[in-house]
Amino acid sequence: DAGITQSPRHKVTETGTPVTLRCHQTENHRYMYWYRQDPGHGLRLIHYSYGVKDTDKGEVSDGYSVSRSKTEDFLLTLESATSSQTSVYFCAIRTSGSWNEQFFGPGTRLTVL
Amino acid sequence: DQQVKQNSPSLSVQEGRISILNCDYTNSMFDYFLWYKKYPAEGPTFLISISSIKDKNEDGRFTVFLNKSAKHLSLHIVPSQPGDSAVYFCAARLLTSGTYKYIFGTGTRLKVLA
Repeated sequence: DAGITQSPRHKVTETGTPVTLRCHQTENHRYMYWYRQDPGHGLRLIHYSYGVKDTDKGEVSDGYSVSRSKTEDFLLTLESATSSQTSVYFCAIRTSGSWNEQFFGPGTRLTVL
Repeated sequence: DQQVKQNSPSLSVQEGRISILNCDYTNSMFDYFLWYKKYPAEGPTFLISISSIKDKNEDGRFTVFLNKSAKHLSLHIVPSQPGDSAVYFCAARLLTSGTYKYIFGTGTRLKVLA
């Protein structure tokens, strides 16, 4: 358990509304990631962060923005939600141990009507 | 462009038998390969990994094999147990712009039959 929490766990919203998902970690890991999981696509990287205020785009970043003002929090914002953004969103951290594997949060299920 | 492919969406295996999950990749610059297991309504959990300079790594009932010439890796679970029923994701690590990124396959749903 890498001490990762995500909030909210479930959200239903309407098209055109802004949505912010929060990822919180308790162990001061430098690297944090946001993924979305969709049937037939596996996990796809949206954005990632390599430190406070240091972020970069992943493969499916259109329509999403992120912010990291503190080491422990990584926020994902949908400025104007669309139905194609209905998905399960996972936050992950990367450890600096020898295997460098990622540890994932429990996920947020977002439905955009 | 799917750099990491899991061509079998599902697999059913009898309890006690071997489960073999396969993964193919296209990018020779991947330096680590990882397997994750995912139960419904939970985040993926790390299972086992292998460096690109190795050809085998074993951890209890789980063994990962890497064939670099074929750009293929496989996860063997022996013996399979009902609790192994989950979705398994293969992932590959790539160093790009000074940061590691992980490319995931689409997953294989394993069902172990009691």
